[in-house]
Amino acid sequence: DAKTTQPNSMESNEEEPVHLPCNHSTISGTDYIHWYRQLPSQGPEYVIHGLTSNVNNRMASLAIAEDRKSSTLILHRATLRDAAVYYCIVLSNFGNEKLTFGTGTRLTIIP
Amino acid sequence: DVKVTQSSRYLVKRTGEKVFLECVQDMDHENMFWYRQDPGLGLRLIYFSYDVKMKEKGDIPEGYSVSREKKERFSLILESASTNQTSMYLCASSFFSRAGKLFFGSGTQLSVL
Repeated sequence: DAKTTQPNSMESNEEEPVHLPCNHSTISGTDYIHWYRQLPSQGPEYVIHGLTSNVNNRMASLAIAEDRKSSTLILHRATLRDAAVYYCIVLSNFGNEKLTFGTGTRLTIIP
Repeated sequence: DVKVTQSSRYLVKRTGEKVFLECVQDMDHENMFWYRQDPGLGLRLIYFSYDVKMKEKGDIPEGYSVSREKKERFSLILESASTNQTSMYLCASSFFSRAGKLFFGSGTQLSVL
């Protein structure tokens, strides 16, 4: 699976949009980009995934660069409950690949 | 709702003990994973399995083994627990055909004294 690079930490003010970047320059044509978040004292939870086009769901939006070498998770209006560690991973959607996480981005929301 | 259940939330064991961590999922997922999480090191993959009786090593398999006798159950075994295995252990599962969408359990905080 392709390696990803994320900033260690970010801060954002409450009720403002947050853009969490991820670089994945070695992504292959069949790899999907997935985002997870981990709230304090909980296991990670799936947020969103995409292949080429931008994606939206009730939790967030995913913007994928045209060359697919980077992506951005967008939280449109951050709340204190969005304070978490956010992980970006890339892998094929099919099969038995090992799925490895990096250290993610710790997002702090300032009231 | 998908449920991934880990047998214990907190566990305290002594050095040298054999430790079993159990994980059960109720969604008929083919893939199951064991991770450990330590401060500053993120999530690290120990073992994973994509079918009954199949297992693959992750990034840090040393000191661990696994067992998958039934599709819904994936056990992590510490043959002889050591203090450096004190950690949060997380189990996850997914469909083979949607391999990137994992469902995680709540974790087991293991302390080895």
